[in-house]
Amino acid sequence: KNQVEQSPQSLIILEGKNCTLQCNYTVSPFSNLRWYKQDTGRGPVSLTIMTFSENTKSNGRYTATLDADTKQSSLHITASQLSDSASYICVVSARNTDKLIFGTGTRLQVFP
Amino acid sequence: GAGVSQSPSNKVTEKGKDVELRCDPISGHTALYWYRQSLGQGLEFLIYFQGNSAPDKSGLPSDRFSAERTGGSVSTLTIQRTQQEDSAVYLCASSRGGYRFTYEQYFGPGTRLTVT
Repeated sequence: KNQVEQSPQSLIILEGKNCTLQCNYTVSPFSNLRWYKQDTGRGPVSLTIMTFSENTKSNGRYTATLDADTKQSSLHITASQLSDSASYICVVSARNTDKLIFGTGTRLQVFP
Repeated sequence: GAGVSQSPSNKVTEKGKDVELRCDPISGHTALYWYRQSLGQGLEFLIYFQGNSAPDKSGLPSDRFSAERTGGSVSTLTIQRTQQEDSAVYLCASSRGGYRFTYEQYFGPGTRLTVT
């Protein structure tokens, strides 16, 4: 069964600190993996999109990694800011389907 | 340019009534997606259009849900005989191509549906 699991479910950090969010998936055959940021009451915004051959991709203070062998991805946030407070969603698509499989997200709260 | 727009932004309806939700994708985007997000829950994929065709409708929760897209542009999601469990935010997204590829999806602000 195609599944995407994220951890932790929620995370609280202090402004300026770094953090890493995890995503494990069982989707096969793998096509691509995306990380989205969703502010409360808003639609998700794409952070990164990674294909099988990509190991690391950065977008400003956000760096995503992908290990297609172990089917794991991480999203690292450097020097967190208050505006990073949001839900971060890992989404995986399979090559043989038109569906996206969503993780339930990690809710990040950054405090001053 | 304009982003994805959805209407209405909020809809309150009585149980048993039908509702129509509208999505206007970004001009030129061939792919369009509908998702549902219940309170405190993750995003749930509903249906995907490539042009006017929806190759896979199995994500729709029940036969009370239907969607169509006309002219490769506007899409409507219709929920018949609404139930309280249909209460959620319905999000629409569009992209230049299907998500088997790496085209970025752009989301609309969503329609918050409340069934009383």
